[in-house]
Amino acid sequence: QSVLTQPPSTSGTPGQRVTISCSGSSSNIGSETVDWYQNLPGTAPKLLIHTTNQRPSGVPDRFSGSKSDTSAFLAISGLQSEDEADYYCAAWDDSLNGYVFGTGTKVTFL
Amino acid sequence: VELEESGGDLITPGGSLRLSCAASGFSLSSPFSHAWMSWVRQAPGKGLEWVGRLRGGGGGATPEYAAAVKGRFSISRDDSKNTLYLDMNSLTTEDTATYFCAWISKLPSVMTSWGQGTLVTVSS
Repeated sequence: QSVLTQPPSTSGTPGQRVTISCSGSSSNIGSETVDWYQNLPGTAPKLLIHTTNQRPSGVPDRFSGSKSDTSAFLAISGLQSEDEADYYCAAWDDSLNGYVFGTGTKVTFL
Repeated sequence: VELEESGGDLITPGGSLRLSCAASGFSLSSPFSHAWMSWVRQAPGKGLEWVGRLRGGGGGATPEYAAAVKGRFSISRDDSKNTLYLDMNSLTTEDTATYFCAWISKLPSVMTSWGQGTLVTVSS
């Protein structure tokens, strides 16, 4: 049972903007930075966004991150076929003294 | 940075197993590299779950663990082999998962580089 809650799935058409939410609490998102990972089936996760809104080198700028209070958001603008994947938010939790992942959101094409 | 896990196997409940993660491209023991390392697992068809992390950089290293594995799992490293380990004891079917090791490039736990994973199946 994760302490970070995401919608199980979301979908969009090519070129559309989709946003994934990640709901947490004051002990994680409310006080810590948030990271996002992309996970394609059968492959290792890939860091997509770190420190809430920073993109690692090589990640397209159509991916962006933000947070407000105890929720974080990943936006994908201009959805592309290769963006079909599972996405996980993550943050350090001060109460658990550990890193927690969100429940994951599957992004698919309509 | 390249990471390669090994050691995954089919193991009966109650058993023990050691996973290895061979690192290349950086030194686990260097005080100048950000040598924090982590283990993450993913049960079949399920989400990602943090297992624990270990600080590198020479000297004493104090591991931290998720509640689900604390007291049963142990993270360590061998600097001479530049390898990270995950020792797993008292395994249950709930521990069945692909286990990934990852390099933490920024604290508290930004995992920039990942291995390909190794599958652990706990079944009778």
